Amino acid sequence: EDQVTQSPEALRLQEGESSSLNCSYTVSGLRGLFWYRQDPGKGPEFLFTLYSAGEEKEKERLKATLTKKESFLHITAPKPEDSATYLCAVQAGRYGNKLVFGAGTILRVKS
Amino acid sequence: SQTIHQWPATLVQPVGSPLSLECTVEGTSNPNLYWYRQAAGRGLQLLFYSVGIGQISSEVPQNLSASRPQDRQFILSSKKLLLSDSGFYLCAWSVPRDAQRNRNQPQHFGDGTRLSIL
Repeated sequence: EDQVTQSPEALRLQEGESSSLNCSYTVSGLRGLFWYRQDPGKGPEFLFTLYSAGEEKEKERLKATLTKKESFLHITAPKPEDSATYLCAVQAGRYGNKLVFGAGTILRVKS
Repeated sequence: SQTIHQWPATLVQPVGSPLSLECTVEGTSNPNLYWYRQAAGRGLQLLFYSVGIGQISSEVPQNLSASRPQDRQFILSSKKLLLSDSGFYLCAWSVPRDAQRNRNQPQHFGDGTRLSIL
């Protein structure tokens, strides 16, 4: 069964304190790993797609990396506006479009 | 640019009442469309997806149904709501899978409907 596990469940950082979020997955034949940001009461906002081990994507203070078993979302010098829930999802199924989501990591950045 | 609209934003319904949530997408044609439910502290759960008009795939047996009467319109319905139907419902769209490169495209979400059953 395809599974996605995110850690930690919650993370508190001081402004400027860099850290990483982890997404471990088990899926047969990865066809895409997706990172999203979700603010309270809103729908997830797409951040990155990674397709193969070794691939990296960057956007402002965020950098996503991928290995054969996990992905990391690195946050460099975070600001309070980076506070949100970060969701990881993998594409599952041979023909379908199903995404399997992790439960997310709640990030709080204090000034 | 593409946009997705969901309504209503919040809804309070009594047990046993019917439900209709609507989602529309603008700025693209023949999108894949999805309905998810998000429970507090848990990941998103896919309920239905559609690759074309009238084509609906159900992922989880439940008290809900979905329909796609038009290319960019997706509707989530129930004839009789249960307490367990409470949750945050999200609609999403994506371009069809890149079959040539065997890659799935990202899904883009609306702002959701908070459904409370009393």
